[in-house]
Amino acid sequence: KNEVEQSPQNLTAQEGEFITINCSYSVGISALHWLQQHPGGGIVSLFMLSSGKKKHGRLIATINIQEKHSSLHITASHPRDSAVYICAVNRGTDKLIFGTGTRLQVFP
Amino acid sequence: EPEVTQTPSHQVTQMGQEVILRCVPISNHLYFYWYRQILGQKVEFLVSFYNNEISEKSEIFDDQFSVERPDGSNFTLKIRSTKLEDSAMYFCASSEGEGANTEAFFGQGTRLTVV
Repeated sequence: KNEVEQSPQNLTAQEGEFITINCSYSVGISALHWLQQHPGGGIVSLFMLSSGKKKHGRLIATINIQEKHSSLHITASHPRDSAVYICAVNRGTDKLIFGTGTRLQVFP
Repeated sequence: EPEVTQTPSHQVTQMGQEVILRCVPISNHLYFYWYRQILGQKVEFLVSFYNNEISEKSEIFDDQFSVERPDGSNFTLKIRSTKLEDSAMYFCASSEGEGANTEAFFGQGTRLTVV
């Protein structure tokens, strides 16, 4: 069983829709990261969370430590948001443990 | 904005050959990492490096792999004798502090194809 699970695996949306991507983890963590992987393969860090909520532009990330769950929300989605969104966790050491990613396609 | 730079972007090599993947981390960062992503699979941790030594490595990082920081700017991953299953995208990352509480910055990746 994967230590980090994401849902859904694939997501399609119309431009302007509100999007939610979920991440559940089964281990104790020190931090959770949301990353974006572009079609060319590059990975960009979006958020690092250890509690509560963070917002950056149209992106919002929340985490519930007790429930071992995090969500990434995109408001007013746009075709340029199309990418793979990845949840990853630190377990108190350097390394990141990655989820399998959620492939998002936003259509005009 | 500072960024992690990886070269080459794509490397094709014959099975059994040695390859060196190069990375220039962000200049004031102290922690360096290599990850890999086999096509269609999730990203996997290979190794972390701090203070000129390996701080953690995964089961994947066997004797065929080595890392080096040959000078003040480069961080390299060497695969001694490549196998077909080494074909993957390899990502270098760096962070200012210890990974557990610090944002990691990733390079664009090197796509390694072993034929």
